[in-house]
Amino acid sequence: ELKVEQNPLFLSMQEGKNYTIYCNYSTTSDRLYWYRQDPGKSLESLFVLLSNGAVKQEGRLMASLDTKARLSTLHITAAVHDLSATYFCAVVVYIQGAQKLVFGQGTRLTINP
Amino acid sequence: DGGITQSPKYLFRKEGQNVTLSCEQNLNHDAMYWYRQDPGQGLRLIYYSQIVNDFQKGDIAEGYSVSREKKESFPLTVTSAQKNPTAFYLCASSIRGPLLNTGELFFGEGSRLTVL
Repeated sequence: ELKVEQNPLFLSMQEGKNYTIYCNYSTTSDRLYWYRQDPGKSLESLFVLLSNGAVKQEGRLMASLDTKARLSTLHITAAVHDLSATYFCAVVVYIQGAQKLVFGQGTRLTINP
Repeated sequence: DGGITQSPKYLFRKEGQNVTLSCEQNLNHDAMYWYRQDPGQGLRLIYYSQIVNDFQKGDIAEGYSVSREKKESFPLTVTSAQKNPTAFYLCASSIRGPLLNTGELFFGEGSRLTVL
């Protein structure tokens, strides 16, 4: 059974600082997603990582994927308050030809002025 | 605009009642999914459907039922057999198959169910 673990689960940081969220998964997968969720809202897609060594950047967020280590990172550079949200990684598994996404527990990020 | 519409956004249910959550998409996606989210937790898969008239149980299907009579619709019924139904329910869809596009899931706005 695929397990997806995020670390840390809670993160409180000061504006302007850098930090990294880690996503480890237990079995082979060929794609990984990062989503953002604001309180009481749905999930917003941030990044889709499709291959080993993939790196994608959008503003102050950068995601990378190491399929050999089964690890993805979401790096936040010079954090601003607007980035406060819960961030989820999700990994694809295939069961009998069907695609399923397995989610991590989420990392609740709070950025303080 | 294309997207996924869930309704109702908020729903209150008395114990012992069945309720049905609606999910409609006009993205022409083949695959549709229902996830449950509890406070402070990740998403857990309830049911998914790859094509019309076919669906499979996810990780927490007990107490739930679905149908897929039309490509654009995937309603979820929360039955009285579900012991702890209070949660946030998210519907999603994707293009079917790993070889098409990125297989990315697109989510609706969610339905929040509270059992009184």
